[in-house]
Amino acid sequence: DQQVKQNSPSLSVQEGRISILNCDYTNSMFDYFLWYKKYPAEGPTFLISISSIKDKNEDGRFTVFLNKSAKHLSLHIVPSQPGDSAVYFCAAKSGVTGTASKLTFGTGTRLQVTL
Amino acid sequence: GAGVSQSPSNKVTEKGKDVELRCDPISGHTALYWYRQSLGQGLEFLIYFQGNSAPDKSGLPSDRFSAERTGGSVSTLTIQRTQQEDSAVYLCASSFTGTSHNEQFFGPGTRLTVL
Repeated sequence: DQQVKQNSPSLSVQEGRISILNCDYTNSMFDYFLWYKKYPAEGPTFLISISSIKDKNEDGRFTVFLNKSAKHLSLHIVPSQPGDSAVYFCAAKSGVTGTASKLTFGTGTRLQVTL
Repeated sequence: GAGVSQSPSNKVTEKGKDVELRCDPISGHTALYWYRQSLGQGLEFLIYFQGNSAPDKSGLPSDRFSAERTGGSVSTLTIQRTQQEDSAVYLCASSFTGTSHNEQFFGPGTRLTVL
C-alpha cells in the first residue's frame, strides 16, 4: 500500500525554466510534508517542508504547494539549474509536533536539467 | 559539525551470513531512524529510536532484523541469515526532538549486496 506516490519517475527541464515535481498521498492523518533531494551515492538531504495548516512555503528558488482537499503537493523550482539534477523524494509524517516519528516516502522523481 | 556517518559504506556477503551495519548520529540528536532503499523503490522505514528505546519497530521485515542503540548515540542494525532480497542501501538518519517538526538528517548509507 503506497501511501505517498510520485507518479513521474523522471522529468527533463531546460536550464532557466520551471521544474514542477508532483506528489500525491492517501493517508489523511499526514500533517507535515517534506521534500528531500538525493545525489548518487549520497544520503537524501532536506530541501523544504510544509505543514498541513499552510498551502504554500517558499525558500529561495524552491516553493512547495499543498492542496489538502486533493491530497496533492508539488515542488516548484524556478529557475532550474544544472546542479538541481538529482532524485527528489516526497515524504510525509503524522504525529505530535516535537516528537520523533517515521517518514513515509514516495518512490522519487529523477530530475534532469539540461543546458 | 559532523553529519551522520555510517559504516561500512559497502558490504558484500554470502547468503546465510550475518551482517552488522553501524550508524553514528549527529551529536545531540536524540532520535535515530533506519530506512532502506531497494533498487527502484522509495525509502522504506525500518525502525526508530528515541534515546535507547525503540517506540516503533513496525518496519522491520522479519525477525532476522534487529537493531539496538546504546548510550543514546551509536546504533547497530543486525541482519541474521541474510537473503538475496535483503540487498539494498540501508540509510540511517537522526533528528532532534523538541518544538519543531524535527527534520531528519541522513547518512550516506551502506550498500548491502547478498550473493
